[in-house]
Amino acid sequence: KQEVTQIPAALSVPEGENLVLNCSFTDSAIYNLQWFRQDPGKGLTSLLLIQSSQREQTSGRLNASLDKSSGRSTLYIAASQPGDSATYLCAVRPDSNYQLIWGAGTKLIIKP
Amino acid sequence: AAGVIQSPRHLIKEKRETATLKCYPIPRHDTVYWYQQGPGQDPQFLISFYEKMQSDKGSIPDRFSAQQFSDYHSELNMSSLELGDSALYFCASSFLASGVRGDTQYFGPGTRLTVL
Repeated sequence: KQEVTQIPAALSVPEGENLVLNCSFTDSAIYNLQWFRQDPGKGLTSLLLIQSSQREQTSGRLNASLDKSSGRSTLYIAASQPGDSATYLCAVRPDSNYQLIWGAGTKLIIKP
Repeated sequence: AAGVIQSPRHLIKEKRETATLKCYPIPRHDTVYWYQQGPGQDPQFLISFYEKMQSDKGSIPDRFSAQQFSDYHSELNMSSLELGDSALYFCASSFLASGVRGDTQYFGPGTRLTVL
């Protein structure tokens, strides 16, 4: 059974720092991996999607990498801003179906 | 750009009542997914539909049912509501027929269901 883990569960850093969020999964038979952002009590915003054949994707200050064989993905945020404060979730789509399996998220706080 | 629309945004029900949540996917999207997110928990996949047919089923209780209509909107019907059904219910849509890049799931704002 696929399990997705995110470390750390919470992170607080000063504005301007570069930071890395980690996501690991137990079964490498994935179709893709997606990073989301969720603001308190709000919906989910898709940030980046990496297909299983890809190594990384970039969007603005965000860069996500995928090492499928080792079951790991990282989300790199450059020059963090207070507006980046949110919970970041990673989700994997298995090869065998369309559903997403989620990590518990990393709650990120960027201090001004 | 148009996004996924969910209605209602908030819903309060009593135990044992029924509730119907609606989801309107992004235009041209052919697939709808439903997720349940309990307080402080990660989302759990419930069910999905592709071209109006059920495509995948997750941890959806037997008390719940869902369907996708000819205009691609979807409804999640919940009966005999229990306190534990209180959660944020998300709908997502994607355009699978467009190929690999169509796999991205775009989420609606969610419906917050409170069962008293």
